[in-house]
Amino acid sequence: DIQMTQSPSSLSASVGDRVTITCRASQSINSYLNWYQQKPGKAPCLLIYTTSNLQSGVPSRFSGSGSGTDFTLTISSLQPEDFATYYCQQSYTSPQTFGQGTKVEFK
Amino acid sequence: EVQLVESGGGLVQPGGSLRLSCVASEFTLSNYWMSWVRQAPGKGLEWVANINLGGGEKYYVDSVKGRFTISRDNAKNSLYLQMNSLRAEDTAVYYCARDKPKPRAGCDYWGQGTLVTVSS
Repeated sequence: DIQMTQSPSSLSASVGDRVTITCRASQSINSYLNWYQQKPGKAPCLLIYTTSNLQSGVPSRFSGSGSGTDFTLTISSLQPEDFATYYCQQSYTSPQTFGQGTKVEFK
Repeated sequence: EVQLVESGGGLVQPGGSLRLSCVASEFTLSNYWMSWVRQAPGKGLEWVANINLGGGEKYYVDSVKGRFTISRDNAKNSLYLQMNSLRAEDTAVYYCARDKPKPRAGCDYWGQGTLVTVSS
């Protein structure tokens, strides 16, 4: 199975900060990397699909990049509603696998 | 508005069985791959299984192979997860999710989840 490793596991940031989360796959997954946001008690929400495509309705401050094994989610200017946990997911092959999550907390 | 509503969760003893259901509305289920994803209490997301449009192609995470079966009834706009030989480590919120139409592009709609607790 492909292992997905996110870093950091958590971070503290302030409103307006630029935030970067990385995700590394244990082997090449081409561009089949998706990002989700999850708030406590809620289902995950798709933010970015296939590395860099913004899901409909998602603010443009979210962006994704990368290829092969190394990927990045960037929030250009953190907003109060962005404090949440973020997960990467590879959809290159089954079983699809998620990273362990990155919790973005208020500094 | 697209909706996915899960049901069937509850408390079950180790070794027992449960069948989860997910009813889809405001879209035609037969046009989409569908997935089950779970989340143990306080833990991260774990992909469990998915199924193709007609139900003839199914994939599972290793930890549930031979115990869980994903299925669908497109006429009823419903997705199912039959869970047998349940273990304590299967305790989780189970989400059904719709795969994006573009292949291998993640899940764009999720249900609210149903809690499965395996305990004696």
